[in-house]
Amino acid sequence: EAGVAQSPRYKIIEKRQSVAFWCNPISGHATLYWYQQILGQGPKLLIQFQNNGVVDDSQLPKDRFSAERLKGVDSTLKIQPAKLEDSAVYLCASSPHPPTSGRNNEQFFGPGTRLTVL
Amino acid sequence: DQQVKQNSPSLSVQEGRISILNCDYTNSMFDYFLWYKKYPAEGPTFLISISSIKDKNEDGRFTVFLNKSAKHLSLHIVPSQPGDSAVYFCAATNLNTGNQFYFGTGTSLTVIP
Repeated sequence: EAGVAQSPRYKIIEKRQSVAFWCNPISGHATLYWYQQILGQGPKLLIQFQNNGVVDDSQLPKDRFSAERLKGVDSTLKIQPAKLEDSAVYLCASSPHPPTSGRNNEQFFGPGTRLTVL
Repeated sequence: DQQVKQNSPSLSVQEGRISILNCDYTNSMFDYFLWYKKYPAEGPTFLISISSIKDKNEDGRFTVFLNKSAKHLSLHIVPSQPGDSAVYFCAATNLNTGNQFYFGTGTSLTVIP
């Protein structure tokens, strides 16, 4: 079974530039998550999708971050304009069960995109 | 507000000995807990989990213990192997309110051959 795919793996940009990350979840997984992991910290949830609908985006800085999951499969996360503090690894994860299902719900993570903002 | 805490940033143990990684949480609504293992340049991979209705779950060399009254969980690895060297994250969630994972800051385990 193929895992969660993410691209690019690394990205270096200057502040105020724009950047986009792509995620392809495990086939059949309805729930998709984007996390931000700053160096020395644990992953922090940015946004959670159930199929192509947003379940939780309360921690997404909406003035500069946006995300979409067209057709309920692939997802893109965009930052515009980027700030120095956005330097982090952006992780995408997927899980087979809907949130609030009450079912044990392991999340499967992709390798991440390491963003450096100069 | 850090709802899940791992107070030991690093841990070194000799091969063959026990590794004990600790995690504390503050939110009593959490009902499901997981441990993830992360190698450099890779995403976290699931290791073991425990529901709040249990106090112990075992899978091979890995055992997770949950003490709800103390809001504390621990991961025991016995015996430790050099391949276990990685960063370990604990995570907590409530399965009935959205399954958002709250992660700790991680503990870097080094198993010395």
